[in-house]
Amino acid sequence: AQSVTQLDSHVSVSEGTPVLLRCNYSSSYSPSLFWYVQHPNKGLQLLLKYTSAATLVKGINGFEAEFKKSETSFHLTKPSAHMSDAAEYFCVVRLRSNTGKLIFGQGTTLQVKP
Amino acid sequence: DTAVSQTPKYLVTQMGNDKSIKCEQNLGHDTMYWYKQDSKKFLKIMFSYNNKELIINETVPNRFSPKSPDKAHLNLHINSLELGDSAVYFCASSQDGGQGSYGYTFGSGTRLTVV
Repeated sequence: AQSVTQLDSHVSVSEGTPVLLRCNYSSSYSPSLFWYVQHPNKGLQLLLKYTSAATLVKGINGFEAEFKKSETSFHLTKPSAHMSDAAEYFCVVRLRSNTGKLIFGQGTTLQVKP
Repeated sequence: DTAVSQTPKYLVTQMGNDKSIKCEQNLGHDTMYWYKQDSKKFLKIMFSYNNKELIINETVPNRFSPKSPDKAHLNLHINSLELGDSAVYFCASSQDGGQGSYGYTFGSGTRLTVV
């Protein structure tokens, strides 16, 4: 069965320092993987997606993620955190079935300190 | 133009009432979904419709009934509301009919509070 595990429920960084949000997936085939961000009391916004093309995926707002099949990981990074990055981040896998169901990770709360 | 719009944004109601949440997308997508986000922010799919046909129906109490009058609309009706139904409900749509490797476009959510 396909699943995703976000390894940290809470990450705290200082403004201007790098961000690393970790995600491991479980899939019997090459998955489609996504990162979504949810700002407080807001909807979900797609940050980036991996769909078996380039393993290093660039997203919006300076975020990147690297698909590593050998490690079954899809960690999200950003070189320099901004206060506006404080939000909830979800790693998501999409099932390759007729339904295309999304399976969400548990979420990681990113706190950015001044 | 809002791509996926949900109404209402907030809904406070008493136990036992019946309520509906509406969702409309103007993206021309052919698949729409309802997700529930609980108090711990965990998101789980409830239903999915493709061209007005139900394709996903997770283990959800039958008090919840989705209705899709056309492929641009997917409404959620909830009967006999219970305290445990309090959550944020997200509508979403997808451009690939549930296949392929694309993400979803989500609405801004409806925060339902049952008192």
